[in-house]
Amino acid sequence: EIVLTQSPGTLSLSPGERATLSCRASQSVGSIFLAWYQQKPGQAPRLLIYGASSRATGIPDRFSGSASGTDFTLTISRLEPEDFAVYYCQHYGSSLWTFGQGTKVEIK
Amino acid sequence: QEQLVQSGAEVKKPGASVKVSCKASGYTFTGHYIHWVRQAPGQGLEWMGRINPNSGGTNYAQKFQGRVTMTRDTSISTAHMELSRLTSDDTAVYYCAREFPPSNTVGATPHWFDPWGQGALVTVSS
Repeated sequence: EIVLTQSPGTLSLSPGERATLSCRASQSVGSIFLAWYQQKPGQAPRLLIYGASSRATGIPDRFSGSASGTDFTLTISRLEPEDFAVYYCQHYGSSLWTFGQGTKVEIK
Repeated sequence: QEQLVQSGAEVKKPGASVKVSCKASGYTFTGHYIHWVRQAPGQGLEWMGRINPNSGGTNYAQKFQGRVTMTRDTSISTAHMELSRLTSDDTAVYYCAREFPPSNTVGATPHWFDPWGQGALVTVSS
């Protein structure tokens, strides 16, 4: 079973700063099966990125995803006030799905 | 528009069962897997399993095998998730979500969940 480890657990940044979130898989995975979600308090998760680097419909271009081996990165180029939330990576493989434990991006 | 609307909050006693519903609209219900994901208070997302609304076939996370049953009623475009032998550890918000692409897609393509239901809080307390 693949385990996704996200780091850091919490990222304290100011609006306008760049956020870099990491998601590491416990073994080699197909990057096309990696997605990122944003979740705000009291809301369901929202799809941001699929296939490791493709933005979902309506997602601003300040959000980007990349992959290198077992390491996946979500970058928010300039944080807007509405971007402070929890972010989860997700993997699909062999009819099983796994989420990382999440990274909280909070206002510094 | 494409959406999933879930049933309301439930309060159950330990040892009981709970059944949560998820009604789809705006798309062909039988064309996409429906997944169930839960989130305990202050915790992360946990995948429970999925159902193919066309065939009724299911895949369950090992943790929930023997305790979860996912079904569907195609006549009303609704999926159901029943969890039995509840304990306080099952207190959580339960979400349904649609898998994309369609279930008949072949080949290696990206997969993701969209849309999600609004969530249903299940509280297990004596």
